Amino acid sequence: EIVLTQSPGTLSLSPGERATLSCRASQSVSSNYLAWYQQKPGQAPRLLIYGASSRATGIPDRFSGSGSGTDFTLTISRLEPEDFAVYYCQLGKTFGQGTKVEIK
Amino acid sequence: QVQLVQSGAEVKTPGASVKVSCKASGYTFISYGLSWVRQAPGQGLEWMGWISAYNGNTNYAQKLQGRVTMTTDTSTSTAYMELRSLRSDDTAVYYCARETAQQLFDYWGQGTLVTVSS
Repeated sequence: EIVLTQSPGTLSLSPGERATLSCRASQSVSSNYLAWYQQKPGQAPRLLIYGASSRATGIPDRFSGSGSGTDFTLTISRLEPEDFAVYYCQLGKTFGQGTKVEIK
Repeated sequence: QVQLVQSGAEVKTPGASVKVSCKASGYTFISYGLSWVRQAPGQGLEWMGWISAYNGNTNYAQKLQGRVTMTTDTSTSTAYMELRSLRSDDTAVYYCARETAQQLFDYWGQGTLVTVSS
């Protein structure tokens, strides 16, 4: 079974800064099935990125995804106040453990 | 617009069962599968299983085999997840999510908190 490892566990940044989140798979995977989600406290996860690099409907273009093989990245170009949340990568039935982006 | 509306919070004693519903609207119900994902307090997301709304085929997480049953009622576009022999570590928010052919979850229910406590 594939394991997804996200890093860092917590990212402390200020609004306007760039956030770079990593998701590493335990073996090479198809990027077609790699997705990213955002979850805010008390809310359900929201799909951000699918197919490793395609933004879901209504997702601002400050969110971008990249990567292939075993290494994938979610980048938030300039953090807005509403972007402080937990982010999960997902492949099939496996989720990463999440990266919390918190206000510095 | 696509909506998944789940049933309300439940409090159960250890050993009991719980059945959570997820009513879909805004799309053709039988055209998508539904997965159930749970999240223990302060923890990450755990996939529990999937059901095809088209033919009722299921695929459950190995750790829950024998305790979980997922069903659908196509006449009401509703999915159900029943979990039996509840333990304290089953305390979590349970989500239903629509699953696409790319195995991603594009719409989620609002979540149902299930608390297991004596």
